[in-house]
Amino acid sequence: NAGVTQTPKFRILKIGQSMTLQCTQDMNHNYMYWYRQDPGMGLKLIYYSVGAGITDKGEVPNGYNVSRSTTEDFPLRLELAAPSQTSVYFCASSLVREGQETQYFGPGTRLLVL
Amino acid sequence: AQSVTQPDIHITVSEGASLELRCNYSYGATPYLFWYVQSPGQGLQLLLKYFSGDTLVQGIKGFEAEFKRSQSSFNLRKPSVHWSDAAEYFCAVGPSNNDMRFGAGTRLTVKP
Repeated sequence: NAGVTQTPKFRILKIGQSMTLQCTQDMNHNYMYWYRQDPGMGLKLIYYSVGAGITDKGEVPNGYNVSRSTTEDFPLRLELAAPSQTSVYFCASSLVREGQETQYFGPGTRLLVL
Repeated sequence: AQSVTQPDIHITVSEGASLELRCNYSYGATPYLFWYVQSPGQGLQLLLKYFSGDTLVQGIKGFEAEFKRSQSSFNLRKPSVHWSDAAEYFCAVGPSNNDMRFGAGTRLTVKP
């Protein structure tokens, strides 16, 4: 298994541009998550999905959109990039087993908005 | 609402020495508690988690953590640190993965 993969690894955007961060997992996990990590901070949840066709907001959803058309893919969309969205973005998926959930993280996408 | 405090921003220990990373939380019910490790340029890797039961939890890479309800703490320990343990460590608390709060992290430096 490749696990959780994210593309691109690094991207520079101009203010107002849009882009999609890709996330794919090959572990058949139902749950998927998008986090952002700002310097010196822990992760903050942007959006999550409990299965194909179902998404919900996390702690910091403003300025982002997601979709979940398949179990494997969970893209994150930035429509009008702002400097405040400069961050490292992590995608994760999770397996629920015997009532316990374990998350697996991708390597991250570093985004710089200028 | 839940919150997590990691009081130490940066800790330096000598290789072979013992390690304790502190984590204090605020949560209204019995929390789910997690410790993650992040190596430079990498995503987070789960070290261990506490859901219920035995308050001393064993994790991967020789780490353990103890849940102390009376102190609202979930400190991470390792008896002998290896150079490869140098990384950023995050404590997290929540009722589930879609409502977790992460601490700001503790950066561990290991001296030869």
